[in-house]
Amino acid sequence: KNEVEQSPQNLTAQEGEFITINCSYSVGISALHWLQQHPGGGIVSLFMLSSGKKKHGRLIATINIQEKHSSLHITASHPRDSAVYICAPWYNTDKLIFGTGTRLQVFP
Amino acid sequence: ETGVTQSPTHLIKTRGQQVTLRCSSQSGHNTVSWYQQALGQGPQFIFQYYREEENGRGNFPPRFSGLQFPNYSSELNVNALELDDSALYLCASSRGQLPTAFFGQGTRLTVV
Repeated sequence: KNEVEQSPQNLTAQEGEFITINCSYSVGISALHWLQQHPGGGIVSLFMLSSGKKKHGRLIATINIQEKHSSLHITASHPRDSAVYICAPWYNTDKLIFGTGTRLQVFP
Repeated sequence: ETGVTQSPTHLIKTRGQQVTLRCSSQSGHNTVSWYQQALGQGPQFIFQYYREEENGRGNFPPRFSGLQFPNYSSELNVNALELDDSALYLCASSRGQLPTAFFGQGTRLTVV
């Protein structure tokens, strides 16, 4: 059983739509990454957060430590946002545990 | 660009062979973690090296081994390759126990 659950697994949207991807994890963590993986494999860390909310451009990430839940939002989605988005909590064991990812496709 | 580089980017090997993958860490980072990502799955932790010592290992058999060098670059070695070893291998570098991590582009290994 994966310790990290993401939803939805697949998501399609029209350009301009507001996107939300959810992540739940099972035990206490010290931080959480939201990662973006494009076809070809390279992973980019979008956010690392341990509390509250962070914003970067059209991307917003929130985390609720008590509820063990984080969300990634994309405002005014664009086809170039099409990628796999992975939630990766950093447990106190000093390694990242990855969710299985949410595959997002944004159509023009 | 993160400064974490992996080589080679793609590799094809035959079952039973051995392979070495390389990772150069971000400047100032002394911890390298290796992950295996099978097609359609999230990455799975293989092991981590901190200051040249193994510092944690996931559920991978001993034929997966590694090294970290004094400059903190790292190698992942896989012996007796199996078809199921075909995957994207990612390395991530970080500084000590800080959770900030930067990822390489990955090495795609195909075992035939």
